[in-house]
Amino acid sequence: DQQVKQNSPSLSVQEGRISILNCDYTNSMFDYFLWYKKYPAEGPTFLISISSIKDKNEDGRFTVFLNKSAKHLSLHIVPSQPGDSAVYFCAASPGAGKSTFGDGTTLTVKP
Amino acid sequence: EPEVTQTPSHQVTQMGQEVILRCVPISNHLYFYWYRQILGQKVEFLVSFYNNEISEKSEIFDDQFSVERPDGSNFTLKIRSTKLEDSAMYFCASSGSRGQETQYFGPGTRLLVL
Repeated sequence: DQQVKQNSPSLSVQEGRISILNCDYTNSMFDYFLWYKKYPAEGPTFLISISSIKDKNEDGRFTVFLNKSAKHLSLHIVPSQPGDSAVYFCAASPGAGKSTFGDGTTLTVKP
Repeated sequence: EPEVTQTPSHQVTQMGQEVILRCVPISNHLYFYWYRQILGQKVEFLVSFYNNEISEKSEIFDDQFSVERPDGSNFTLKIRSTKLEDSAMYFCASSGSRGQETQYFGPGTRLLVL
């Protein structure tokens, strides 16, 4: 049972355009959602998070949107830069405790 | 900026041998975790540790695995008798306290079991 799903394994966008990465979840107990960026052979790097009491959180070029009724969240990166090219993982947790990760989406930003 | 560190960065071992993976979490954090990522697969939760005991563990975390916080700074994962399928990247993570749920990850240890 895959509780956190990232249905797009890859995404390619042009530099300067918007990147939208999507994530769906099934467990209603998830209370806290995170996005991590990961380069090969490195650990996940925290990007941005959102708690279930909010529907939007913004940090610079990164914005996360949460739609609880649809059990869907998305990460918007605007403008996209070549340095954003990496694997992006969506993760969810019921508050403090284990995070359940999605499969990841490989973002490629073309110059 | 504080960070989670892990040693060694790479470990090669023979099947059946014991390995200990070491982590130094962020100093004022209270919750500690181990995750693993088999090549090409997702990051999987193994175990969480709080107040000197395991608070949660996954099905992967069977009797061959153990965790320990031997002193005030280190957090270790021991695999008693390694199997080929234990080959993976192992990530340590830590978080501050209940109510601060962001987990910060170390760079990982790449374990190869031959």
